[in-house]
Amino acid sequence: DQQVKQNSPSLSVQEGRISILNCDYTNSMFDYFLWYKKYPAEGPTFLISISSIKDKNEDGRFTVFLNKSAKHLSLHIVPSQPGDSAVYFCAAVQAGDDYKLSFGAGTTVTVRA
Amino acid sequence: NAGVTQTPKFQVLKTGQSMTLQCAQDMNHNSMYWYRQDPGMGLRLIYYSASEGTTDKGEVPNGYNVSRLNKREFSLRLESAAPSQTSVYFCASRVQGAWTEAFFGQGTRLTVV
Repeated sequence: DQQVKQNSPSLSVQEGRISILNCDYTNSMFDYFLWYKKYPAEGPTFLISISSIKDKNEDGRFTVFLNKSAKHLSLHIVPSQPGDSAVYFCAAVQAGDDYKLSFGAGTTVTVRA
Repeated sequence: NAGVTQTPKFQVLKTGQSMTLQCAQDMNHNSMYWYRQDPGMGLRLIYYSASEGTTDKGEVPNGYNVSRLNKREFSLRLESAAPSQTSVYFCASRVQGAWTEAFFGQGTRLTVV
């Protein structure tokens, strides 16, 4: 049973607008969350992360929000650029679990010019 | 700086054939991982090695074996390939004991016919 869920398989957004990607998790023991970005024929690359003691982390155009009570996190990309078109994976890990990342199914983002 | 290198990039096998996927990292990381990516499933952990000399099963280990040859190399073996093992395989590594990201290789696309 998937512990990390990304319920939107795809997202289309106009260049310059905000992209919001959502992720839900079921394991309350997760304490570190990551977003990865993947282009076709390449491996995933790390984008941004957040620990469970925070509710927001920002890095340039990317901001991740964590709502522990709702077991929900989101990734905001502002402004969206054509190079942001990729598959985005949400991942989570539990302390002491030897960093076994649990991944969501991914959301394909298409940024329209 | 090569990071995580996987060989081969592509492979077609007949049912019942065996093969080994190779992975090497040059970042002096202790922990290494093998994932498979299937449509709609995200990345699922097959096996991992927390440190040189240790290996453990992940979420989907059936049909696979691994060898941590040394600190740099972690191989994945399919003893008798099945069509259900058609997938994209990713190797990853990370620094052990810290909340840091995992670095991924570029993937091996395997088709079993």
